[in-house]
This record gives sequence, C-alpha cells and structure tokens, in this order.
Amino acid sequence: DAGITQSPRHKVTETGTPVTLRCHQTENHRYMYWYRQDPGHGLRLIHYSYGVKDTDKGEVSDGYSVSRSKTEDFLLTLESATSSQTSVYFCAISHGQALGGEKLFFGSGTQLSVL
Amino acid sequence: GENVEQHPSTLSVQEGDSAVIKCTYSDSASNYFPWYKQELGKRPQLIIDIRSNVGEKKDQRIAVTLNKTAKHFSLHITETQPEDSAVYFCAASQSGNEKLTFGTGTRLTIIP
Repeated sequence: DAGITQSPRHKVTETGTPVTLRCHQTENHRYMYWYRQDPGHGLRLIHYSYGVKDTDKGEVSDGYSVSRSKTEDFLLTLESATSSQTSVYFCAISHGQALGGEKLFFGSGTQLSVL
Repeated sequence: GENVEQHPSTLSVQEGDSAVIKCTYSDSASNYFPWYKQELGKRPQLIIDIRSNVGEKKDQRIAVTLNKTAKHFSLHITETQPEDSAVYFCAASQSGNEKLTFGTGTRLTIIP
C-alpha cells in the first residue's frame, strides 16, 4: 500500500481543543497532501507540500495548518477544532508530474469526530 | 481555480450491464484526468487515467473518453460485476500544477 500510514485511525475530541494528525511515508515521494472527505463534497484538498518546509493551501484550508520538517512526515493541525471539522481525513503522496507520477497513493484515513 | 462536476451522484445497474459516469471541468488548461475507485471503508485507488493528448483509453472492462472541446470526460464500465460496486471519483489537474481537483463522487451499485 505504497508505504503510507496515518495516525491516529480514529479520534474523538471536543470543540476548541487542538488536534494533530500524522502522515508518514517510506516511499520518498516529493508531494504530500491532506484531503477531507464529506458526503456530497467528495475529496477536498486542505493543504499540500512539495518539499521539506514547502507547503501551500488547498481549497478548504481555513482552520488548518500543516508542517513538513522531514520528507517522510506531514502533519495536519486543527488549532481549535470545530464541529464542522468532523470528517474523514486522507493523506496522499505522489512523485509529481515531472516524473510522470501524478498518481496519488492514499493512506487509510483518519475518522475525526469533534463533539 | 478548477471546478469539476460529476453526474450522477448515484447509479444502479443490473449485473452484466454497462455503467457510464460523466464529469465536466472548467479550466481549459487542465490536461490530466484520473478516475479513483473507493470501496466501502477503504481508501481511494486509481483505476484509470487519461491525458489531454488522447481521446480514449481502455483497460479491460474499463474505458475513459475525453472531449476537450466540450470539457468533459466519462468513465465506462462494461459487463459490470458485483465487485464494481463502489464510489467513483473523477478528477482534473493541469501541467505544472500538482493539485488534483476531485468531483463529488458517484455511488455505483451493481444489482445481482
């Protein structure tokens, strides 16, 4: 499964608390992504990274921050969780178009519930 | 930015029949169009993709067609089987832009 793991797999938290989700890859892919999946909305990009310390916003970035201090790790942080952030979060990796590797490999997902 | 619309949102077909899912995109600069399949409780996985220099691509029972003029592309599944039941997502991106924009998904149910 492309050597990508997400942790935790499930999390329940309370409104206003900070939450960090972790994505770890062993494939040395340059690009890493965080998507959220919600019924009726499909997969929406939150943030992505194109290298260590290089990140950019996606279409639904408000309320989220990311960090990538190492090639293999991409962290997603909800600074102050809200109920609207209850969702399934998927991490994905790719080599990128320059290497003919646009294919995304997804992690198993994290089910986050904000009460 | 890119906007991808996908129809229908749900689709039920008899086993053995064909299924067609359609997507339209807004950015004429988009040149890469993949399709992902997500089985219940699983992660999305790429099943087929097409680039803008090709009009059609086939892989066994699955085919994708692209109409650049109309800015739409379609997934065709022939001789459907129960294991084809899943949610299918189309997506689009442009050269130099590593961000994929996904459609909202189609839940395909194969009726035995």
